[in-house]
Amino acid sequence: DIQMTQSPSSLSASVGDRVTITCRASQSVSNYLNWYQQKPGKAPKFLIYAASSLQSGVPSRFSGSGYGTDFTLTISSLQPEDFATYYCHQTYSNFPTFGQGTKVEIK
Amino acid sequence: EVQLVESGGVVVQPGGSLRLSCAASGFTFEDYTMHWVRQAPGKGLEWISLIKWDGAKTYYADSVKGRFTISRDNSKNSLYLQMNSLRTEDTALYYCAKGVASWGFDYWGQGTLVTVSS
Repeated sequence: DIQMTQSPSSLSASVGDRVTITCRASQSVSNYLNWYQQKPGKAPKFLIYAASSLQSGVPSRFSGSGYGTDFTLTISSLQPEDFATYYCHQTYSNFPTFGQGTKVEIK
Repeated sequence: EVQLVESGGVVVQPGGSLRLSCAASGFTFEDYTMHWVRQAPGKGLEWISLIKWDGAKTYYADSVKGRFTISRDNSKNSLYLQMNSLRTEDTALYYCAKGVASWGFDYWGQGTLVTVSS
C-alpha cells in the first residue's frame, strides 16, 4: 500500500496567518492527490482534487500544489472557520490511503 | 441535493456480525464507485473498501480483507457493508462516500457508529 505522511501533525496559528501543510507519498501518485477538511463531529469536506484543483464552493484562500510524491496545501490567510483537521488522500491506487491528519489550532 | 445516509451501527460483541447500509439520493447512483471509510474514536480516516459502479470489482484494505464484504443494489440506490468476525479494533464511525472517477470522494454521509465490545 502507498503510505501518506503529513507534516506537521499539528500546528498553532493566528487568524490571517499563511499556513502550509505538506504531504509525502511513499511512491509516486502522479497528481491523484486530494485534500479534505474535517471539523469535530462532522464528516470530511472535499477541498482539493488532482493536487491543485479547487472543489466547487471552496474559498480561493485554499490552494494545493505538487506532483509525484510531494504535495502541499496552503491557506493564504487563515480564517476562524478554518480551524480543523486536514487530511491528504491518494487515489492513484485501487487501495486509496489517507495521511494521518494535521490539526490546525488557534494560537 | 446529494444525500448519503448510513444506518445499522450498534454495539456488538467481539466475533459478531453486522450489516451496514447506505441509502443514496440526489445523483445517478449506478454511475459511481462507492466507498466505505471508517474513523476510530479520536483517530484519523481509514479507507476500508470500494465497489465499482456495476459491482463487478471490489477492493479491501488488509485490515478487513476476508472479514468484510461490500455490495450494492443499484435498483435500490443502496450500498452495504457486511461485517463478520468483528474485533474491538473495528470500533469506529463508518462513513459511506461517493467517488469522483479517480479524483477523491466528493460526498460523505454523516456516519454510523459501530462499537465492538463485550
